[in-house]
Amino acid sequence: DAKTTQPPSMDCAEGRAANLPCNHSTISGNEYVYWYRQIHSQGPQYIIHGLKNNETNEMASLIITEDRKSSTLILPHATLRDTAVYYCIVRARMDSSYKLIFGSGTRLLVRP
Amino acid sequence: EAQVTQNPRYLITVTGKKLTVTCSQNMNHEYMSWYRQDPGLGLRQIYYSMNVEVTDKGDVPEGYKVSRKEKRNFPLILESPSPNQTSLYFCASSIRLAGGARTGELFFGEGSRLTVL
Repeated sequence: DAKTTQPPSMDCAEGRAANLPCNHSTISGNEYVYWYRQIHSQGPQYIIHGLKNNETNEMASLIITEDRKSSTLILPHATLRDTAVYYCIVRARMDSSYKLIFGSGTRLLVRP
Repeated sequence: EAQVTQNPRYLITVTGKKLTVTCSQNMNHEYMSWYRQDPGLGLRQIYYSMNVEVTDKGDVPEGYKVSRKEKRNFPLILESPSPNQTSLYFCASSIRLAGGARTGELFFGEGSRLTVL
């Protein structure tokens, strides 16, 4: 699976958009970009995933660059409850082990 | 409510005393897995199971056993726990990748914090 690079920490103001970047320059054609988050020491929570098109769901939007070497997770109106560690993971969809390699992630702090 | 349930959530035990951490999911998922999380090392996969009676080692299987006798349950067994198994453990499940919009999404339990003295 391709390696990902994320900034160790970010902060944003409550109510504003949080834009979390991720670099995955070695991504291959069959690899998806997944985002999870972990609030404190709870179980990681799936947010969104995509292959090459931008994706949106009730939690967030995922913007993937045309060359697929980087992506951005957007939380449109961040709340205090969005304070968490956010993990960007690249993985082949048909990987039979289903293993997700969680790196260090980005620690997002949402300020009141 | 769709969920993955782990028990116990917290446990302090002593070296060598066998213990089992249970994991149960109510989503009829074929795939289940165990991870451990340690500071500075992130989450590492211990064992996984693609279906009933099918299990395989992850990255750090030493000192652990699993079984998958029923689809919903995937217990993690520590036959002789040691202090280096002190960790935060997560069970996860997923529908098998066979097409569909939401395949590949892992559902995690709330975690079991284990301390081995």
